[in-house]
Amino acid sequence: QQPVQSPQAVILREGEDAVINCSSSKALYSVHWYRQKHGEAPVFLMILLKGGEQKGHEKISASFNEKKQQSSLYLTASQLSYSGTYFCGTERTYNQGGKLIFGQGTELSVKP
Amino acid sequence: NAGVTQTPKFQVLKTGQSMTLQCAQDMNHNSMYWYRQDPGMGLRLIYYSASEGTTDKGEVPNGYNVSRLNKREFSLRLESAAPSQTSVYFCASSQQGQSWITFGSGTRLTVV
Repeated sequence: QQPVQSPQAVILREGEDAVINCSSSKALYSVHWYRQKHGEAPVFLMILLKGGEQKGHEKISASFNEKKQQSSLYLTASQLSYSGTYFCGTERTYNQGGKLIFGQGTELSVKP
Repeated sequence: NAGVTQTPKFQVLKTGQSMTLQCAQDMNHNSMYWYRQDPGMGLRLIYYSASEGTTDKGEVPNGYNVSRLNKREFSLRLESAAPSQTSVYFCASSQQGQSWITFGSGTRLTVV
């Protein structure tokens, strides 16, 4: 029941855009996105709720397609600081607290 | 302003040894979690505690026990370590009614 992320890895030049997808075979209540820099803890980016709107955080935004049970993370005009591994975490029902099912991660490298 | 503090940061154990990973949070969060992170597997929930005095199993609880000592502290115990428990362990916490989680900096455990 682990969500599937794609691609597994992506390499960008500064200023390029990227899309990371997270797909589930089960109906979801919410999708969370976290970023983890090498050797550090994952850090919360944003949450997409069922029935909610697209969210944004500076040049990073995300959407949640309920029909497809898929969330996409959009990184525009990438910066060196965007490098890291991005994880989606999913909740199937409301009020599961932090009991998330995480995808396997997408490693993003931004080069000068 | 520490957030979630884990000790130790690194540990090497021999097969069959026992140890306890310590975790404390100073954000007055109700819920606490233990995740493990393995390459290509993302983060998997071992145990969680919705509130002081309660604990419950996550996805991969076998070989582990937990104690919610008080609201601040949540420890993870390996009674008889196995090489399959070599991993990075993250403690995390969340506030009641909020599902995003704050992670600690992790404990890198190697079982030889």
